[in-house]
Amino acid sequence: EAGVAQSPRYKIIEKRQSVAFWCNPISGHATLYWYQQILGQGPKLLIQFQNNGVVDDSQLPKDRFSAERLKGVDSTLKIQPAKLEDSAVYLCASRLPRVNTEAFFGQGTRLTVV
Amino acid sequence: RKEVEQDPGPFNVPEGATVAFNCTYSNSASQSFFWYRQDCRKEPKLLMSVYSSGNEDGRFTAQLNRASQYISLLIRDSKLSDSATYLCAVNRVEYGNKLVFGAGTILRVKS
Repeated sequence: EAGVAQSPRYKIIEKRQSVAFWCNPISGHATLYWYQQILGQGPKLLIQFQNNGVVDDSQLPKDRFSAERLKGVDSTLKIQPAKLEDSAVYLCASRLPRVNTEAFFGQGTRLTVV
Repeated sequence: RKEVEQDPGPFNVPEGATVAFNCTYSNSASQSFFWYRQDCRKEPKLLMSVYSSGNEDGRFTAQLNRASQYISLLIRDSKLSDSATYLCAVNRVEYGNKLVFGAGTILRVKS
């Protein structure tokens, strides 16, 4: 079974530039999460989708971050404009929409803002 | 108060030791719980789901205490390969299976 695919793996941008990350979840996984993990911290949930609908985006900095999952499969997360404090690993995870199921993570995109 | 709290450690233990981590959660309505393992510069991977009766998988035992709102992970006979960060995760069913993680506990097993 193919896992969660993310790209790019690494990205270095200057502050105030824009960047986009892509995630392809495991086939059939209706639930998709984007997490931000700053070095030394746990994953922080940015946004959660159920199919193509947003379930939770309470911690998404909406003035600069946006995400979409138009066809209920792939998802993109965008930052515009980036700040230095956005430097982190952005993790995408997917799971079946049931209570005790495992969330599978992609390898993440490591973003460095300089 | 954070929704999920863990002792960050690090826990430095010798090989063969038994070590236990606790994780507390703030919302009593939380219904399912997990322990994930994260190796350095890697993605988190599921170690164990935590069931209300407690569960064991080899050297690993997970317990849930709903009254005190904490879950625990016990590792017996620690191996060098157990060195990692252990993340506690709480599933909020009432919020559409929102999965919230703690900050993680660092374990270092030394020879």
